[in-house]
Amino acid sequence: DAGITQSPRHKVTETGTPVTLRCHQTENHRYMYWYRQDPGHGLRLIHYSYGVKDTDKGEVSDGYSVSRSKTEDFLLTLESATSSQTSVYFCAINRLAGMNTGELFFGEGSRLTVL
Amino acid sequence: GQQLNQSPQSMFIQEGEDVSMNCTSSSIFNTWLWYKQDPGEGPVLLIALYKAGELTSNGRLTAQFGITRKDSFLNISASIPSDVGIYFCAGQASGGTSYGKLTFGQGTILTVHP
Repeated sequence: DAGITQSPRHKVTETGTPVTLRCHQTENHRYMYWYRQDPGHGLRLIHYSYGVKDTDKGEVSDGYSVSRSKTEDFLLTLESATSSQTSVYFCAINRLAGMNTGELFFGEGSRLTVL
Repeated sequence: GQQLNQSPQSMFIQEGEDVSMNCTSSSIFNTWLWYKQDPGEGPVLLIALYKAGELTSNGRLTAQFGITRKDSFLNISASIPSDVGIYFCAGQASGGTSYGKLTFGQGTILTVHP
């Protein structure tokens, strides 16, 4: 177990409301990622972080923001949720960062439904 | 963005049969990876490939990094019921800013009948 905890695991919300998903790790890894998974698309990168207060956009970052104020927590925020953001969100860490391996370890996912 | 085409989209096989799936890209990747996802869980890394032409095994799984760097395949031999799940290929481009920035295929859903 890599020590990744995602919360909440399930959430139903209404269009226009703000939502924050939390990813907590206990292994002090520098690199953290948020991906979303949708049928027919596999997983797509939303945002990633390479250290405290260092974040950057991924492939599908529109409508999302992130924050990393401490090493162990990486927050994903939907400022105003839309139905197109209904998805399963996965947090991941890169245990071998520095070796450019791409070997990610994923959390169990957070299922978000926007009505 | 980059696209990975993974095929087949789904497979229905009998226990004991061998399975083969592949992934192709329009772009070159520096690393190819194969993940498996069980229902309600996150993807788990099966095999990582780092060199063009590399052939790597992990138990009954064998994967290869294509010579052109634009494709990879995964074979599963003598399938068992616990092989059921979704298999994803993923590619990582080269360069220091590419750490963990993976491009995933659409997935292959594998069903194994006892």
